[in-house]
Amino acid sequence: NAGVMQNPRHLVRRRGQEARLRCSPMKGHSHVYWYRQLPEEGLKFMVYLQKENIIDESGMPKERFSAEFPKEGPSILRIQQVVRGDSAAYFCASSPSEGQVYGYTFGSGTRLTVV
Amino acid sequence: AQSVTQPDIHITVSEGASLELRCNYSYGATPYLFWYVQSPGQGLQLLLKYFSGDTLVQGIKGFEAEFKRSQSSFNLRKPSVHWSDAAEYFCAVGPPPTGNLIFGKGTKLSVKP
Repeated sequence: NAGVMQNPRHLVRRRGQEARLRCSPMKGHSHVYWYRQLPEEGLKFMVYLQKENIIDESGMPKERFSAEFPKEGPSILRIQQVVRGDSAAYFCASSPSEGQVYGYTFGSGTRLTVV
Repeated sequence: AQSVTQPDIHITVSEGASLELRCNYSYGATPYLFWYVQSPGQGLQLLLKYFSGDTLVQGIKGFEAEFKRSQSSFNLRKPSVHWSDAAEYFCAVGPPPTGNLIFGKGTKLSVKP
């Protein structure tokens, strides 16, 4: 029973390019959460999705960032026209239902470096 | 405002010594509290969680934490630290209605031989 799978583990992009981060939740989990970890900081919530629905995107930057969780396939976090300040570790977590009750399972993250 | 404070950025203890990592929270309702551990370059692993009931909770790897409502604290403890415990530890609180967690900035633990 594989855990939460994130890929790629490391991603390097030049300024202005697009970054696509993928997250496959644990089997049976229908809730996905994305968090961003900046250097020397804790994790900051970005977005909460269920299949085909964005439930809470209050932590998403207003521009250039988008997320989806289609009916089939992984959840995607997309960052358009990346800038140096987007360099961070991006973590995905999944849960079977209300995350705070069952506890999340986190993936190993994608470390994005913008050069 | 909801927040989590971990006052200690970096702690160094000797192997075999006891450990206490502090966590204070500000939350408007009954909190759900978590401790996670992150090894370098890795994701977060859940150590323990508190929802209700006994205020002393046991977790994995010999860790425990005590919820003290009057002090708004949820400190993590271990009686005897092992070198493999060197990592960064995050306290988190929830839930807002949609289930996202609020994390502290973390405490980095170093272990001396």
